[in-house]
Amino acid sequence: KQEVTQIPAALSVPEGENLVLNCSFTDSAIYNLQWFRQDPGKGLTSLLLIQSSQREQTSGRLNASLDKSSGRSTLYIAASQPGDSATYLCAVPPSDSGGSNYKLTFGKGTLLTVNP
Amino acid sequence: DGGITQSPKYLFRKEGQNVTLSCEQNLNHDAMYWYRQDPGQGLRLIYYSQIVNDFQKGDIAEGYSVSREKKESFPLTVTSAQKNPTAFYLCATRTGYEQYFGPGTRLTVT
Repeated sequence: KQEVTQIPAALSVPEGENLVLNCSFTDSAIYNLQWFRQDPGKGLTSLLLIQSSQREQTSGRLNASLDKSSGRSTLYIAASQPGDSATYLCAVPPSDSGGSNYKLTFGKGTLLTVNP
Repeated sequence: DGGITQSPKYLFRKEGQNVTLSCEQNLNHDAMYWYRQDPGQGLRLIYYSQIVNDFQKGDIAEGYSVSREKKESFPLTVTSAQKNPTAFYLCATRTGYEQYFGPGTRLTVT
């Protein structure tokens, strides 16, 4: 059974700092990995979807990397801002999740606080 | 205004009552999902539907029921059999490999 772990559970940084969030998964036979952002009391917003054939995906100040062989993904946030404060979650489909059985397994998230 | 609508935002019920949470989408996505989120826990899958008139149990389906009579709608009923129904409930759709989420409904049962 696929398990997804995110460390640390919480991170506090000063504004302007570059930072890395970590996501690890136990079964490397994944189709892709998706990073989400969740603001308090809100739904999830998709940030980046990185396919298994890709090693990196970029969107603005965000860069996600994927290393299937080691079962790890990182989300790099450049020049952090107070508006980046949120919980960041990663999710992967289990290896037996294909076609009509497609579903995601989520990590518990990292709560990021960017201090002005 | 396009997207996924969940109503109401907050819902309060007495223990022993069934309650139905609404999820509507106008994205024309075939697949829809229901998740439950508790403090300190990740999202846990309750039910999902890949196509109209078909749905599958997720990891924590006990005490819940769903229907998928229309592509746009995927309501979730929390029954009195659910032991700990108080939680934040999230509905999602999928196109390709990417999931999109609604704003959520916070259910409180006392």
